[in-house]
Amino acid sequence: GENVEQHPSTLSVQEGDSAVIKCTYSDSASNYFPWYKQELGKGPQLIIDIRSNVGEKKDQRIAVTLNKTAKHFSLHITETQPEDSAVYFCAASMGDSNYQLIWGAGTKLIIKP
Amino acid sequence: NAGVTQTPKFQVLKTGQSMTLQCAQDMNHEYMSWYRQDPGMGLRLIHYSVGAGITDQGEVPNGYNVSRSTTEDFPLRLLSAAPSQTSVYFCASSYTGTGNTEAFFGQGTRLTVV
Repeated sequence: GENVEQHPSTLSVQEGDSAVIKCTYSDSASNYFPWYKQELGKGPQLIIDIRSNVGEKKDQRIAVTLNKTAKHFSLHITETQPEDSAVYFCAASMGDSNYQLIWGAGTKLIIKP
Repeated sequence: NAGVTQTPKFQVLKTGQSMTLQCAQDMNHEYMSWYRQDPGMGLRLIHYSVGAGITDQGEVPNGYNVSRSTTEDFPLRLLSAAPSQTSVYFCASSYTGTGNTEAFFGQGTRLTVV
């Protein structure tokens, strides 16, 4: 079946440095790619998303890039802060379905003081 | 606004018992869904609903039932609990569907089946 691979599973960076999380998807019909942040004991929360007609999107310290040819998209966090420590999930729409996402396994981001 | 509210937060069941996980949203969202989250596996869709009276199966529906009698509520029923259903369960809602719009998640229910 279709899947989303997410790397790395754990990422440790120094406060102030940048962090990059990468995802690869298999369904060429996927057209929506959200990123969710999950803090301990809470549900996931959307931090940024991108659609297939856009190559890059930025929101303050967070950016997402999409390469449809390579079926690859990445999350970039600059000037990391302690509050960025969390688990991050990428996802891709199941084909062009409005109703289902295929989720990556998650990346635990640790910001070292 | 309360957003998406799940109850209970924690539950321990014995094998074979049944229970209902409650989910309510106050954002007038048509789409609601249930996920389970297991270590190293991300989120897996159990069931979803695109409106009152309409439900459909997700990736892992076996052992679970749902119904949607109102726009606000979407309960998940475990018919006969098994240890394999030990997991954290999340309810989510969105305006049209999580495949193209933001999903709002509840705080989760941590279920242990012994």
